[in-house]
Amino acid sequence: QVQLVESGGGVVQPGRSLRLSCAASGFIFSNYDMHWVRQAPGKGLEWVAVIWYDRSNKYHADSVKGRFTISRDNSKNTLYLQMNTLRAEDTAVYYCARAYTSASELDYWGQGTLVTVSS
Amino acid sequence: EIVLTQSPDFQSVTPKEKVTITCRASQSIGSNLHWYQQKPDQSPSLLIKHASQSITGVPSRFSGSGSGTDFTLTINSLEAEDAATFYCLQTGSFPWTFGQGTKVEIK
Repeated sequence: QVQLVESGGGVVQPGRSLRLSCAASGFIFSNYDMHWVRQAPGKGLEWVAVIWYDRSNKYHADSVKGRFTISRDNSKNTLYLQMNTLRAEDTAVYYCARAYTSASELDYWGQGTLVTVSS
Repeated sequence: EIVLTQSPDFQSVTPKEKVTITCRASQSIGSNLHWYQQKPDQSPSLLIKHASQSITGVPSRFSGSGSGTDFTLTINSLEAEDAATFYCLQTGSFPWTFGQGTKVEIK
């Protein structure tokens, strides 16, 4: 069965960095575009970034552009989110999710990992 | 950026009642609109894809309609287990965007 398992969350001080990982299993990882979506405590969902199945394209939300970088390693079936210069407003649960094409729905989501940015 | 506006923000409903949630896009997105249900402390779960396509395993009381800029999620005969927050997501162009969410409470 399809599984997406995020890790790497925790408490970090403002201005510091953190890297999230998402381990995929149960499907052909290299066939799917992969996304990060976040949700601040008590708030709605916010799309963060996407990377194409073959790494040929990436997009980041304006709110994280220049600070966050999405990447993937298809040989390890793993998605990453490098988060630099973290701010308090980046505090959220971060989900990874898959989509079959650039206009497809996000059909499977991980359970999420909590990132808390606080001094 | 395409803005999605859901209405209402909150709805309190009795079991077996019909629920209608709308999602309006600031520009046309064809049928690239999907609906999700999120229960407390859970990840979002896909309910409807491409405006009106059903998802295997999702109860038939959930249905979707619309295209272009106006979309509707309908829950026929609400059940207690349906209490959740519902979100629409547009995948018509990047950046993808979500509606602000509609919380459905059971009376």
